[in-house]
Amino acid sequence: DSGVTQTPKHLITATGQRVTLRCSPRSGDLSVYWYQQSLDQGLQFLIQYYNGEERAKGNILERFSAQQFPDLHSELNLSSLELGDSALYFCASSVGVVGEAFFGQGTRLTVV
Amino acid sequence: KNEVEQSPQNLTAQEGEFITINCSYSVGISALHWLQQHPGGGIVSLFMLSSGKKKHGRLIATINIQEKHSSLHITASHPRDSAVYICAVNSGGGADGLTFGKGTHLIIQP
Repeated sequence: DSGVTQTPKHLITATGQRVTLRCSPRSGDLSVYWYQQSLDQGLQFLIQYYNGEERAKGNILERFSAQQFPDLHSELNLSSLELGDSALYFCASSVGVVGEAFFGQGTRLTVV
Repeated sequence: KNEVEQSPQNLTAQEGEFITINCSYSVGISALHWLQQHPGGGIVSLFMLSSGKKKHGRLIATINIQEKHSSLHITASHPRDSAVYICAVNSGGGADGLTFGKGTHLIIQP
């Protein structure tokens, strides 16, 4: 158990819909990262938050947004969903801005 | 943008064999990570390296900064080591997310 909690574990939704994925980092970790893993693109970095502030952006689509709350949990919002958004979404956390990353179990999103 | 290459893509070996997985990257890094992903999908961090060598149980990771290359070794391999092993790097001097290799799918046969 990494100490990083992601909910829900599985999500099935229709095209055009909006979903929210939630992540609780390890106790004491200030950085939260979001990653997407799809069959064709592999693992890709989406976005990082550090202590409530956006720190770095990767290949995150404009339809996606995220935030980190004062209690350090984070949410990833995916809107206007397309079939191609079906993937595993991982959250990871680390103590500092750069550090060993501890991954959650992932949320498997299926868009139908 | 950093390019991370892993080899081999697939590896099947017999129990007890010494396993080596290689990783090379194109641009200077602040850290390199080795991750393990089991069929259930969960990802576990094995090592984070910025220089030299680290050992944990039967796993050894090395990195050569000048050659932009890292290796992950598994000694006395066991079927429970069967998983996908992923190399990833932090490229920036400051905060950034990981850039991943495509992974090495390892199967250890009894």
